[in-house]
Amino acid sequence: EADIYQTPRYLVIGTGKKITLECSQTMGHDKMYWYQQDPGMELHLIHYSYGVNSTEKGDLSSESTVSRIRTEHFPLTLESARPSHTSQYLCASSDGTTYNEQFFGPGTRLTVL
Amino acid sequence: QQPVQSPQAVILREGEDAVINCSSSKALYSVHWYRQKHGEAPVFLMILLKGGEQKGHEKISASFNEKKQQSSLYLTASQLSYSGTYFCGTERMDSNYQLIWGAGTKLIIKP
Repeated sequence: EADIYQTPRYLVIGTGKKITLECSQTMGHDKMYWYQQDPGMELHLIHYSYGVNSTEKGDLSSESTVSRIRTEHFPLTLESARPSHTSQYLCASSDGTTYNEQFFGPGTRLTVL
Repeated sequence: QQPVQSPQAVILREGEDAVINCSSSKALYSVHWYRQKHGEAPVFLMILLKGGEQKGHEKISASFNEKKQQSSLYLTASQLSYSGTYFCGTERMDSNYQLIWGAGTKLIIKP
């Protein structure tokens, strides 16, 4: 079954730690996205990719980085976590066709102490 | 450039109807509608394209006024399962697959 996965689902870490949030999809989609969302608020695009070796920053300034070495994998890394990074991080993918419907993973809820 | 959604919140009785609106100041290629329940990921409801094409669930209807850059989502005969926050995501003509999201409309359905 085609799907999009994120790990971990929940993460509590201390300030200054380096973390990587994983995102994988089995749909063969070229387009992938990372969003940051505070509870009950809108989604903010922080990174996106149009394919392997393609990454761009989104509208929301972020201290994170991403990589796209394989089509199915789009990890997000925070080199030094801070309390201001506490939020939910959602990964999504789309096939980039006419409708460009985005499919979302279950999200990672990050708490930085 | 963020689209404006209205109303911010709606409380309905089961069986009642609701309309949620989304408007943009920029020329749009498409409008996407998603529903998100607390603690879950957004779920696709409907996509409306410039030119009239649309794709979505059978029980959901929506419209897109290209002259006004406005879209409306129509929820009829609401059920308890319709509760959640509804987001519109707009794709501008020059944005190349990126969506800009509205602030959301919270819908509460009471029995």
